[in-house]
Amino acid sequence: QSVLTQPPSVSGAPGQRVTISCTGGSSNIGAGFDVHWYQQFPGTAPKLLIYGNSNRPSGVPDRFSGSKSGTSASLAITGLQAEDEADYFCQSYDNSLSGYVFGTGTKVTVL
Amino acid sequence: QVQLQESGPGLVKPSETLSLTCTVSGGSISSLYWIWIRQPPGRGMEWLGYIYYTGSTNYNPSLKSRVTISIDTSKTQFSLKLSSVTAADTAVYYCARHTVAGNNDAFDIWGQGTMVTVSS
Repeated sequence: QSVLTQPPSVSGAPGQRVTISCTGGSSNIGAGFDVHWYQQFPGTAPKLLIYGNSNRPSGVPDRFSGSKSGTSASLAITGLQAEDEADYFCQSYDNSLSGYVFGTGTKVTVL
Repeated sequence: QVQLQESGPGLVKPSETLSLTCTVSGGSISSLYWIWIRQPPGRGMEWLGYIYYTGSTNYNPSLKSRVTISIDTSKTQFSLKLSSVTAADTAVYYCARHTVAGNNDAFDIWGQGTMVTVSS
């Protein structure tokens, strides 16, 4: 169902840097469509974290950053904090499916 | 601030129609796109369809024959109907607001989600 592939989990100690990859293909990320990232705590609504590959909405800490290259995108969290322990997923558009596509989701654990 | 709230039955029988409503509060429903997204247990998100405040719609091609989305601007609500449901339609259903974010929209405000189980 999910067209964009993410690692199931990543972990890091407080203060460390972790990255989450989002791998797509030639009809979505590779076709030039922007990637957006969301943060979700269990049982709550997703929150837009990064839009347009690398832009942060107002209020999102600058320890969150995004990038995109080729058919993949990445979310980096620097200076990892306990409050960053959550699920993260990416989103883009696919022109062969004529619609939005989402990542498989990644659980970030703070050790 | 704008808030979204889904409402509707949490249990639907197989072959029946799932009906949900999303109420928009704290802001206007006009001049914006609104979307329904679902997440089956243990799986990724899937968009079902979206609607413009004028009533123009666009549906996920894989679900198009079963999905209908409508809007009532006077009530600041938009609704989802999914017909002929099966167990595969069991999911948390979210409503959300589009925001322009580059060359494809992101979703900047989400409802808290409502769990719908399809079972007899």
